[in-house]
Amino acid sequence: ETGVTQTPRHLVMGMTNKKSLKCEQHLGHNAMYWYKQSAKKPLELMFVYNFKEQTENNSVPSRFSPECPNSSHLFLHLHTLQPEDSALYLCASSQDRGSGTDTQYFGPGTRLTVL
Amino acid sequence: RKEVEQDPGPFNVPEGATVAFNCTYSNSASQSFFWYRQDCRKEPKLLMSVYSSGNEDGRFTAQLNRASQYISLLIRDSKLSDSATYLCVVNMDSSYKLIFGSGTRLLVRP
Repeated sequence: ETGVTQTPRHLVMGMTNKKSLKCEQHLGHNAMYWYKQSAKKPLELMFVYNFKEQTENNSVPSRFSPECPNSSHLFLHLHTLQPEDSALYLCASSQDRGSGTDTQYFGPGTRLTVL
Repeated sequence: RKEVEQDPGPFNVPEGATVAFNCTYSNSASQSFFWYRQDCRKEPKLLMSVYSSGNEDGRFTAQLNRASQYISLLIRDSKLSDSATYLCVVNMDSSYKLIFGSGTRLLVRP
């Protein structure tokens, strides 16, 4: 619908598991983002990639590891997560990260539960 | 003080009512302002940008008050389908970084 897809939509994992979230955008955008949305909290920016280069790491713990192989794909690799990492993880894209007026288009999110 | 602050609500209004939300921001150097809408268990979607002169899109009117550092969203003739959480979003420095408020929940009842 929005041109940004995410898989899986739901994920339950144990603290010792390793999993990856995938995001793909079909909009021809150059910038991609990972956000975390916890219950009753505002969206928190985690990572930004522009033209495949990471331009922002918003003090995210190393148990979250992003990967951007090309401008259309973005991954978030997860390992040894904590229960407090349970949240909705949203991917977004925009034309270019340089303009404050660029609209960011969000994917449907992956709802992650860490047991 | 939070960078972007909103009343969480919920605002519970009957169909056809007019409802208004305010949002305050802390950084006077903020450049761009937006309202996003987020339905339950869905992703945020841009509702409208907010311009200095104010702007209107159908039943929705957004206004910016730089002196008092707040933006507002007015919804006229509320529909059941307007029930959602409305996110106030501020761009601080004309870069990519958007600061989101926690959202204001609107419930429109029949």
